[in-house]
Amino acid sequence: NAGVMQNPRHLVRRRGQEARLRCSPMKGHSHVYWYRQLPEEGLKFMVYLQKENIIDESGMPKERFSAEFPKEGPSILRIQQVVRGDSAAYFCASSPPARADGYTFGSGTRLTVV
Amino acid sequence: KNEVEQSPQNLTAQEGEFITINCSYSVGISALHWLQQHPGGGIVSLFMLSSGKKKHGRLIATINIQEKHSSLHITASHPRDSAVYICAAYSGGGADGLTFGKGTHLIIQP
Repeated sequence: NAGVMQNPRHLVRRRGQEARLRCSPMKGHSHVYWYRQLPEEGLKFMVYLQKENIIDESGMPKERFSAEFPKEGPSILRIQQVVRGDSAAYFCASSPPARADGYTFGSGTRLTVV
Repeated sequence: KNEVEQSPQNLTAQEGEFITINCSYSVGISALHWLQQHPGGGIVSLFMLSSGKKKHGRLIATINIQEKHSSLHITASHPRDSAVYICAAYSGGGADGLTFGKGTHLIIQP
């Protein structure tokens, strides 16, 4: 059981490029969550997805950010036209349908925009 | 909305000391998570508890539901325990159901 897999671990993008972050949930988990952690700040919720559905995206910036969790393959967090302020650690977590049973976090993707 | 407060924000201690990190929350919850994050590292879930006490190695987590308070203790602390410890209260509902504390930065000096 490989746990939650995120890739890449580190990603460097120039301003204006696109960043694609991937998250494969733990086996048996059907719920995926994305969080952003800015330097010296706590984790902030971005979006909650189930397969082919966005359940709650209240934490997502209105522009340039999108997320999906297709029927097959990993969940993708996509940031278009990145800016310096997007530099952060992005964490993914997954849970079983009974969310109170616990969350498993990935190792994160550290995005640096230069 | 649940407010989750952690204390202390920063803690430096000597190797071998007994460490306590506190977490209080404002709204009733169904579970509380303790997470560990090493510098530049991923997030590891240490405990999930909804009542009483759990122990894993040198780590002990307790929760008092009536007082809306949880503590994480580290016995015989070691420099490798240096990390950020985060509590997260799960109250269900929409979004992810979690409210995170800001974290406690722990440094254990040899």
